[in-house]
Amino acid sequence: AQKVTQAQTEISVVEKEDVTLDCVYETRDTTYYLFWYKQPPSGELVFLIRRNSFDEQNEISGRYSWNFQKSTSSFNFTITASQVVDSAVYFCALSDSFSGNTGKLIFGQGTTLQVKP
Amino acid sequence: EPEVTQTPSHQVTQMGQEVILRCVPISNHLYFYWYRQILGQKVEFLVSFYNNEISEKSEIFDDQFSVERPDGSNFTLKIRSTKLEDSAMYFCASSAGRFSYEQYFGPGTRLTVT
Repeated sequence: AQKVTQAQTEISVVEKEDVTLDCVYETRDTTYYLFWYKQPPSGELVFLIRRNSFDEQNEISGRYSWNFQKSTSSFNFTITASQVVDSAVYFCALSDSFSGNTGKLIFGQGTTLQVKP
Repeated sequence: EPEVTQTPSHQVTQMGQEVILRCVPISNHLYFYWYRQILGQKVEFLVSFYNNEISEKSEIFDDQFSVERPDGSNFTLKIRSTKLEDSAMYFCASSAGRFSYEQYFGPGTRLTVT
């Protein structure tokens, strides 16, 4: 069965600290996609990144970086030098061909990140 | 930049009433989705829609729910007889393709059933 686990419910850091949000997934498929979305206090879901199962290269985008490790079924997200504007709920999500071939996203429970000034 | 829009942003209704939530997906997208998020919980898949028919639905999506694309631009979610437990944020999403494509989400409709 497909499952996404974000074990950290809430994380609180002080501005400029680095923070890593963990994501562990389960799938029987060999072809799958992993996503991170940000949900700021305003409520919308903002796409951050998509990664396919064949590309294990880490990705960096400004202060954001993602570490994909198939061996541990993890897709962790690191924010370097966090800022108050990073305060949000972050969701990890999975899509695979077992998702009925319709592309539905299976979300984790989300991690609430609070960055204090 | 194209975006998914949803109306209304907030809907308050009484238990047992019918509600229709509206979405305008990105114009060249082919796959459409509804998700819901009960306050403080994770985002849950409701239904996917492609080629003018439902391609998959979750166990949440029972006979009280229906979707349609009435005019080639709007994508609607109807709840026939709302229950208190239907109170949630409902997100519409669209994508250009199936699971390899990112889904773009609308801003959501907050449904409050009293």
